[in-house]
Amino acid sequence: KQEVTQIPAALSVPEGENLVLNCSFTDSAIYNLQWFRQDPGKGLTSLLLIQSSQREQTSGRLNASLDKSSGRSTLYIAASQPGDSATYLCAVSFWDNAGNMLTFGGGTRLMVKP
Amino acid sequence: NAGVTQTPKFQVLKTGQSMTLQCAQDMNHNSMYWYRQDPGMGLRLIYYSASEGTTDKGEVPNGYNVSRLNKREFSLRLESAAPSQTSVYFCASSGNRGYSTEAFFGQGTRLTVV
Repeated sequence: KQEVTQIPAALSVPEGENLVLNCSFTDSAIYNLQWFRQDPGKGLTSLLLIQSSQREQTSGRLNASLDKSSGRSTLYIAASQPGDSATYLCAVSFWDNAGNMLTFGGGTRLMVKP
Repeated sequence: NAGVTQTPKFQVLKTGQSMTLQCAQDMNHNSMYWYRQDPGMGLRLIYYSASEGTTDKGEVPNGYNVSRLNKREFSLRLESAAPSQTSVYFCASSGNRGYSTEAFFGQGTRLTVV
């Protein structure tokens, strides 16, 4: 059974810092990995999708990397802002006969202080 | 840009009552999913549907039924609600293998069973 772990569970940083969120998974036979953002009381917003054949994806101040062989992904946030405060979730997907199945990590709760 | 739409957003039920959570997507995705999110447990898959007319159990299906009404709509039914079903429910959809498999989520339904 695939298990996904996110470290740290919570992180508090001053505005302007660059930071790294970590995600690890136990089964490297994944189809893709997706990073989400969740604001309190809201749904999940997709940030980045990395296909299993890719090493990284970038969107603005966000960069996500994937190392399938070691079962790791990192989300790098450059020049953090208070508006980045949210919970960040990673999810790995695999295909079975029924379709694309997602397994989620427990999330990292980020607070960026002004 | 509706994406994935869930109704209702909030609901309070008495133990033993029934209700149906509605979900619709406008991205022409084949796969649709129902998750529940609980503190300390993360997101867990309840049921999923790889295509119109097919449904399969996920990790925590007990106490729930689903219907894939057509390609757009996937509903979740609680026949006899229990306090243990107090949770936030999310519907999601994604494309097929070989196409974009990025998953998109609705805004959630906050359900309280008293």
